Amino acid sequence: QKEVEQDPGPLSVPEGAIVSLNCTYSNSAFQYFMWYRQYSRKGPELLMYTYSSGNKEDGRFTAQVDKSSKYISLFIRDSQPSDSATYLCAMSANDYKLSFGAGTTVTVRA
Amino acid sequence: ETGVTQTPRHLVMGMTNKKSLKCEQHLGHNAMYWYKQSAKKPLELMFVYNFKEQTENNSVPSRFSPECPNSSHLFLHLHTLQPEDSALYLCASSQEGTTQYFGPGTRLTVL
Repeated sequence: QKEVEQDPGPLSVPEGAIVSLNCTYSNSAFQYFMWYRQYSRKGPELLMYTYSSGNKEDGRFTAQVDKSSKYISLFIRDSQPSDSATYLCAMSANDYKLSFGAGTTVTVRA
Repeated sequence: ETGVTQTPRHLVMGMTNKKSLKCEQHLGHNAMYWYKQSAKKPLELMFVYNFKEQTENNSVPSRFSPECPNSSHLFLHLHTLQPEDSALYLCASSQEGTTQYFGPGTRLTVL
């Protein structure tokens, strides 16, 4: 079993739709949860950072963490073509070592 | 230059060549990382340097040799690579742990 599971997609939605992304994990020691966005031919860019369980909102983006279910989500409201990218979940226990999902490729159609 | 920069952005090399990848961070961070990103696979952590000391070597073959002369610069020396080493090599930096900031990567092709 992989430590972090993420559906690779691809996911295609019309402009203005809500994009829903998620990851599951097996290591109950994970406490820090991140979402990165990676555009084609670029490095990953940190989008959201959450500690422990709960919700975090930043503009059109909402990150949710449910540690009891070992499940994290990212929602993008009012999606735009510029949101077309690969989204990577990442998580960590108490140290620097991040475990990544394989990434979900999202296309927002104009 | 701001953030994390990497050079070259693209590299094509033969299996007998020797080349080096360079990473520089302008964020004042104390930790630097090398990752390998292959298609449809999660990022693989290769090496970690903390205050210039290597603290992680994730069972990486010896044909990859890292060097960290100071906390702002990180190199990855490559020699006798294999075609399966073709990938995007990403450098990242962080200050005290988990929030890592990535460079744009070097796209490596081994012929």
